[in-house]
Amino acid sequence: ETGVTQSPTHLIKTRGQQVTLRCSSQSGHNTVSWYQQALGQGPQFIFQYYREEENGRGNFPPRFSGLQFPNYSSELNVNALELDDSALYLCASSLKGTDEKLFFGSGTQLSVL
Amino acid sequence: RKEVEQDPGPFNVPEGATVAFNCTYSNSASQSFFWYRQDCRKEPKLLMSVYSSGNEDGRFTAQLNRASQYISLLIRDSKLSDSATYLCVVNGGGYQKVTFGIGTKLQVIP
Repeated sequence: ETGVTQSPTHLIKTRGQQVTLRCSSQSGHNTVSWYQQALGQGPQFIFQYYREEENGRGNFPPRFSGLQFPNYSSELNVNALELDDSALYLCASSLKGTDEKLFFGSGTQLSVL
Repeated sequence: RKEVEQDPGPFNVPEGATVAFNCTYSNSASQSFFWYRQDCRKEPKLLMSVYSSGNEDGRFTAQLNRASQYISLLIRDSKLSDSATYLCVVNGGGYQKVTFGIGTKLQVIP
């Protein structure tokens, strides 16, 4: 087990709604990254948080936002949900300044109807 | 051109076979490289890091060729439990933009 936990495991929303996904990082890790994985695709980088600030962002619109808390846990918020947002959302923790291997949580499966 | 390219497969191989996957990347400044394994709809798990000198972990051997910008993974004596999707991962440095390939699906057949 990686020690990275995500909640909820599954979620069903309708178009236009908002969603918040949560992640607790592995003990000792200070960086959290979020990924979106559509069916049949590799994980796509959404953004990374380090020291409670966004530290890099992939090609995702502003309606994808996040937070990191002092205990290094993190939230991913998605506003105005679209059908194409249906995917597995993965959180990964790492330790900045090392080889920065990623350790993933088991993900949240989001379905937008 | 995609930043990280992999053949999605599937590769169907018999038990005991040797199978190799390749992955190419476009950013010549990339700094670190990994192979991850992902079982169906579960989270990716780190399989091994990849170094220019080549590295081996049991039946698995990984190799990096910086000049040609490709990474390889060799699996010897395939087991049924090796059936999974293998993701090539490249860390471009900077703000640590980590890019995953689409993954190569391996199915080991009895």
